[in-house]
Amino acid sequence: GDSVTQTEGLVTLTEGLPVMLNCTYQSTYSPFLFWYVQHLNEAPKLLLKSFTDNKRPEHQGFHATLHKSSSSFHLQKSSAQLSDSALYYCALIPNYNQGKLIFGQGTKLSIKP
Amino acid sequence: GGIITQTPKFLIGQEGQKLTLKCQQNFNHDTMYWYRQDSGKGLRLIYYSITENDLQKGDLSEGYDASREKKSSFSLTVTSAQKNEMAVFLCASSVTGDTEVFFGKGTRLTVV
Repeated sequence: GDSVTQTEGLVTLTEGLPVMLNCTYQSTYSPFLFWYVQHLNEAPKLLLKSFTDNKRPEHQGFHATLHKSSSSFHLQKSSAQLSDSALYYCALIPNYNQGKLIFGQGTKLSIKP
Repeated sequence: GGIITQTPKFLIGQEGQKLTLKCQQNFNHDTMYWYRQDSGKGLRLIYYSITENDLQKGDLSEGYDASREKKSSFSLTVTSAQKNEMAVFLCASSVTGDTEVFFGKGTRLTVV
């Protein structure tokens, strides 16, 4: 079946250092991949999503590249900010069933001054 | 823009009790979802509905019922609350066929 794996439960970084959160997936089809972010006491919201035309999605300084060969969609940012502290979920929609999001376990990102 | 309102924000129930969580959205979205959020386990789909009176089971539907009374509302019932039910339940909605899903802030369930 379809699944998403985020191996890091907690990532702690100092402000200004680069961020990389790992995401790998398994899918029979060519899925759409997403990153959702949830700040404390807030609703999860879409951060970015993969495009079918190989454009690299970017939002709020974050970017992710879909690598079909390695089934990965890692989230990156060149310089962490304190406000980036949040819970990050990688998710996919299998190509055949739009709208039914399948989530990874989530990675808590904690940025220290 | 729109908003998803979940009530109550906090729900305390007794073991074995039947409990209902409610969700309203004003996006005019066709599809609505219920997810359960547990620390370290991600968000797991309980039920979803693609139109009024439609219900589709997710991977975690056992022990739950759902009802799509009208387009804007979707309720979830815990049929017999267990202590391992303690979690945050998130309601969400989307345009059917679109890839972006919008979430509410959740209902935190505690079972005593």
